[in-house]
Amino acid sequence: DGGITQSPKYLFRKEGQNVTLSCEQNLNHDAMYWYRQDPGQGLRLIYYSQIVNDFQKGDIAEGYSVSREKKESFPLTVTSAQKNPTAFYLCASSVQGRGETQYFGPGTRLLVL
Amino acid sequence: DAKTTQPTSMDCAEGRAANLPCNHSTISGNEYVYWYRQIHSQGPQYIIHGLKNNETNEMASLIITEDRKSSTLILPHATLRDTAVYYCIVPHGSGNTGKLIFGQGTTLQVKP
Repeated sequence: DGGITQSPKYLFRKEGQNVTLSCEQNLNHDAMYWYRQDPGQGLRLIYYSQIVNDFQKGDIAEGYSVSREKKESFPLTVTSAQKNPTAFYLCASSVQGRGETQYFGPGTRLLVL
Repeated sequence: DAKTTQPTSMDCAEGRAANLPCNHSTISGNEYVYWYRQIHSQGPQYIIHGLKNNETNEMASLIITEDRKSSTLILPHATLRDTAVYYCIVPHGSGNTGKLIFGQGTTLQVKP
């Protein structure tokens, strides 16, 4: 059963702590994306990757980092430099060059304690 | 992305057709119209897209006006599970960047 999985569903972060959100896909997609969604707002692009070992900053990359060592995986680290990390984080994937049609995971809700 | 305008909210009776409008008067000749929806606390879901001709799939139909300045997403027999925020998007150059601009969308409430 193909799809995108994100874990955990809920994540709690203490002040000054880095946390990593997992995103895995078995759709054989080359491209993967990370978005942030604040309550009542649309999605904003954090990072995207069109191919393994390459990634680009989106609109709000400050305070975040990513890696793309495997085609199936695109983890997002929320660093302590991100001053307002509480949000709903969504991962997506697409066929390379077809970023208009994206398939999304269920999301991770990050809360700061 | 070309700017899109959608009503903030709509209601629909269960079993009836839901018609969701979208204005995109600045669309360019080669730009497609995409529709996604987001059920509460879930990730967005791709629904359908089109360029000029009307399109239909297992989820919905998309009607695009001849001048391409507006479109309507039709859910032929709405169910309670269709309650969601529906986004009309006209991507520009998003093929490689994946930068889709999800605005406020239309909140569709399907009522029993």
